[in-house]
Amino acid sequence: AQSVSQHNHHVILSEAASLELGCNYSYGGTVNLFWYVQYPGQHLQLLLKYFSGDPLVKGIKGFEAEFIKSKFSFNLRKPSVQWSDTAEYFCAVELSGGYNKLIFGAGTRLAVHP
Amino acid sequence: KAGVTQTPRYLIKTRGQQVTLSCSPISGHRSVSWYQQTPGQGLQFLFEYFSETQRNKGNFPGRFSGRQFSNSRSEMNVSTLELGDSALYLCASSFRLANRRNTGELFFGEGSRLTVL
Repeated sequence: AQSVSQHNHHVILSEAASLELGCNYSYGGTVNLFWYVQYPGQHLQLLLKYFSGDPLVKGIKGFEAEFIKSKFSFNLRKPSVQWSDTAEYFCAVELSGGYNKLIFGAGTRLAVHP
Repeated sequence: KAGVTQTPRYLIKTRGQQVTLSCSPISGHRSVSWYQQTPGQGLQFLFEYFSETQRNKGNFPGRFSGRQFSNSRSEMNVSTLELGDSALYLCASSFRLANRRNTGELFFGEGSRLTVL
């Protein structure tokens, strides 16, 4: 069965530190990839997505992610985090043609200290 | 533009009862998906509806069902509730054209938190 693995469940950083959250998926076919974020007390919202084309995608709030097909990875990065980035981050995979059936990773809780 | 609205936000039921949750998608969105979120299993896909038709279904027992109305509003029903059904149920809508299977972004509601005692 297809699955999505997020390597870190909890990450604690100081402001201005760099962030990289790992995401790997298990599926050999074409996929669409997403990162969603859930800020405290808010609903899930899309951070960025990859369907095709340039494997380096940029999202909101300075986040970017790189799709490496050979590694089945879609890691999220931000060069300098802010306190307001404190949230839970979810990687998700949709099999191409999947009718919005997303397979989510377990999530990574990021805490950024001032 | 109003977001995805889910009602009720919180509810408590006892084992064996049934529950109906409602979701109003963003205006113009014809696709509605449902997800279950629990601490142990995370976010799991339940089903997706488009134009009143179920297009995809996750691995949940038949006690979980849903439907979509002509105005795109959707309901999901869980019958014969079990303790393990306690979860946050999330609805998400998206703008999807009839000839395309996905458009890339789901807009989530705040969820309905169900507690089964």
